Amino acid sequence: DQQVKQNSPSLSVQEGRISILNCDYTNSMFDYFLWYKKYPAEGPTFLISISSIKDKNEDGRFTVFLNKSAKHLSLHIVPSQPGDSAVYFCAASARSGAGSYQLTFGKGTKLSVIP
Amino acid sequence: NAGVTQTPKFRILKIGQSMTLQCAQDMNHNYMYWYRQDPGMGLKLIYYSVGAGITDKGEVPNGYNVSRSTTEDFPLRLELAAPSQTSVYFCASSMLGQGGNSPLHFGNGTRLTVT
Repeated sequence: DQQVKQNSPSLSVQEGRISILNCDYTNSMFDYFLWYKKYPAEGPTFLISISSIKDKNEDGRFTVFLNKSAKHLSLHIVPSQPGDSAVYFCAASARSGAGSYQLTFGKGTKLSVIP
Repeated sequence: NAGVTQTPKFRILKIGQSMTLQCAQDMNHNYMYWYRQDPGMGLKLIYYSVGAGITDKGEVPNGYNVSRSTTEDFPLRLELAAPSQTSVYFCASSMLGQGGNSPLHFGNGTRLTVT
């Protein structure tokens, strides 16, 4: 049962254009959403996050949009650069029954930015 | 500042062998985690620790053991390695728990093959 779904395994975008990475979720108890970026042979690194009480968060070229009614979030990268080529993981956190938090990851989307 | 350091980077084990994956962090984080990532899949939590002397199971703990004798170190022990444990293992740490706006800091991973 995938609670966090990234339905596009890969995405190719021209340099300078917008990259839009999508993520859907099923658990309405998720209260924070995070995006991680991963280069080959490295660990994931945190990119940007958004609280469930907001609908947009922006950090430089990266913007995350949250649509709670649709249980959908997206990461926009504008303009896309070749260095953005990586795997992007969507993750969501919710408080577990024991009172601690649980983080659930999607399967990732591989972004290729073509020069 | 080294962050999270994992050793070894690569390892090949025969079925039934044992090994310990090492993880150390120098950020004085209380929370530490072990994840595994199988090809084309998201990260799955194996074990986590909320502080020295305290560990708990994650989503996929079977076949693994952990200990946390110091704040800095969080080794993962594989007993009786099986082909199903072929994966990339990531250690991570965070200031707070997995929830809220508390991003994880990941190591660069250990690629393990069991044949």
